[in-house]
Amino acid sequence: DTGVSQDPRHKITKRGQNVTFRCDPISEHNRLYWYRQTLGQGPEFLTYFQNEAQLEKSRLLSDRFSAERPKGSFSTLEIQRTEQGDSAMYLCASSLGRHPQHFGDGTRLSIL
Amino acid sequence: GQQLNQSPQSMFIQEGEDVSMNCTSSSIFNTWLWYKQDPGEGPVLLIALYKAGELTSNGRLTAQFGITRKDSFLNISASIPSDVGIYFCAGQPAEYGNKLVFGAGTILRVKS
Repeated sequence: DTGVSQDPRHKITKRGQNVTFRCDPISEHNRLYWYRQTLGQGPEFLTYFQNEAQLEKSRLLSDRFSAERPKGSFSTLEIQRTEQGDSAMYLCASSLGRHPQHFGDGTRLSIL
Repeated sequence: GQQLNQSPQSMFIQEGEDVSMNCTSSSIFNTWLWYKQDPGEGPVLLIALYKAGELTSNGRLTAQFGITRKDSFLNISASIPSDVGIYFCAGQPAEYGNKLVFGAGTILRVKS
């Protein structure tokens, strides 16, 4: 039974660089979500896909952030011109319809 | 935005003791979920609740969906060392059914 897979697990980059993260959801799940988690806080919703359609985006998702799910399977989250405040754990979750969301182990981003 | 107030913020208990934590909100939720997160990993689903008043168990864990749909609690009976971790409540808002809103977490430490 394969869970939600995220790659890379850790990313260290210099301020101003672009970064891209990948998420592979549980195979039969049609919904995919991205969250951001900072130290001492719960995850905060960023965006949501149903199949390949991006249906909801949070105000937290500035224009430097873009997410795609081109074939309704894996998804990528790109951050352009990274800033110190982007340092966080980026979590991906997937679900089958309205069933509970299952999370991956996240990508921890550190901005130097 | 919507917020969940989760308490207590942390607990340090003796092995074998029972634990209780809760979440409250000013908004109505359609679903309440409880997750556990270990360091460096993503949240793992413990219990999902779908109806007001519902009481659900998973081994030593019991959770309830408050009758007003604005609160939920989680009990852990006879705690053991592997219960250590951060417990998060999460709700699916009635008006935005796709994202999860998380509490700030309860840190549980167990003395053996």
